[in-house]
Amino acid sequence: GQQVMQIPQYQHVQEGEDFTTYCNSSTTLSNIQWYKQRPGGHPVFLIQLVKSGEVKKQKRLTFQFGEAKKNSSLHITATQTTDVGTYFCASDRRGGSNYKLTFGKGTLLTVNP
Amino acid sequence: DVKVTQSSRYLVKRTGEKVFLECVQDMDHENMFWYRQDPGLGLRLIYFSYDVKMKEKGDIPEGYSVSREKKERFSLILESASTNQTSMYLCGVKRSNQPQHFGDGTRLSIL
Repeated sequence: GQQVMQIPQYQHVQEGEDFTTYCNSSTTLSNIQWYKQRPGGHPVFLIQLVKSGEVKKQKRLTFQFGEAKKNSSLHITATQTTDVGTYFCASDRRGGSNYKLTFGKGTLLTVNP
Repeated sequence: DVKVTQSSRYLVKRTGEKVFLECVQDMDHENMFWYRQDPGLGLRLIYFSYDVKMKEKGDIPEGYSVSREKKERFSLILESASTNQTSMYLCGVKRSNQPQHFGDGTRLSIL
């Protein structure tokens, strides 16, 4: 079945450094969604990308969807301690009229103040 | 926004007990999901339902069953709990290819 591979599994940065997490698939993805899970919390939706080559920004966060729709990245510029958490990518698998998400294993980001 | 309510934040049960985890949504979304989350393994799909009384196995259904008698409620059942089912359980709700909304999670310990 469709799998989404996410790297790295962990990333520790100094506050102010940049951070990037990557998702890759061997098959073409219909979309890519990104979620953030704070420590002790549940995953919260950040953004969805649908179009080939799409780039979206949310303040210091930049999301990209590859031209072939097989990979995606989330880049955070100048990390802050509030960025701490696990970032997941996910993509819809469609079976008939039903949709379910395939999640990457997530990247745990820790930030040293 | 969709409100997803899981019945318990923390639960402690004994090996062999039958355990019920409940999830309720306040919208009319057709798709509901149960995941377990373990360190290093991410979110793994146990079961999902796309309509009342409809269910499909996810990636790790063994040892679990589900029930969806009403559209707003999706229950996860551990027929005979075992220690390897100690985990964080997350309920998800979504409409077609829209974002997924999660409950706060239930941290289940099986002793």
